[in-house]
Amino acid sequence: AQSVTQLDSHVSVSEGTPVLLRCNYSSSYSPSLFWYVQHPNKGLQLLLKYTSAATLVKGINGFEAEFKKSETSFHLTKPSAHMSDAAEYFCVVSDRGYGGSQGNLIFGKGTKLSVKP
Amino acid sequence: NAGVTQTPKFRILKIGQSMTLQCAQDMNHNYMYWYRQDPGMGLKLIYYSVGAGITDKGEVPNGYNVSRSTTEDFPLRLELAAPSQTSVYFCASSYGVPGANVLTFGAGSRLTVL
Repeated sequence: AQSVTQLDSHVSVSEGTPVLLRCNYSSSYSPSLFWYVQHPNKGLQLLLKYTSAATLVKGINGFEAEFKKSETSFHLTKPSAHMSDAAEYFCVVSDRGYGGSQGNLIFGKGTKLSVKP
Repeated sequence: NAGVTQTPKFRILKIGQSMTLQCAQDMNHNYMYWYRQDPGMGLKLIYYSVGAGITDKGEVPNGYNVSRSTTEDFPLRLELAAPSQTSVYFCASSYGVPGANVLTFGAGSRLTVL
């Protein structure tokens, strides 16, 4: 069965410094992986997705993530944090072809990113 | 372009009351979902639908019911509300299977059961 672990529940960075949000996954099949962002009192919005093409995936707002099969990781990075990046981030895995579940998504528990001025 | 619209945004229920959370999408998406979000727990799938007239249970369906009479609407019914159903509920939709398609989320409905 697939699972996803976000290694940090809370990350705090200063504005202008790099961001690293860590995600490890477990999957029986070739996974699809996603990062979603949730700003306060809002719904979730897709940042980026990996679906077996290039292992380095670029998303919106300067974020990117690298799929590393050997490490079963899909960490999210950004070179320079902005105040508007403060939000909760969810790593999500889906096993394509996972029987009758239609490839249902498994959400990590979330990482709250704080950005200090 | 409204996307996914959820109503109400906030609701307080007494134990044992019933209510329906409404969800509508205008993107002609086949797949629709209901999730609940509890602090520090991520999102858990309650029910999903792959098209009008077809629904199926997700990970945490107990205490809830759904129907899908049209492509656009996917209401979630809570019968006999319990404090354990205090949560934020998100409706989402996608064109096809979630592993290969982006989900579009509504803004959420915050429910408190006292």
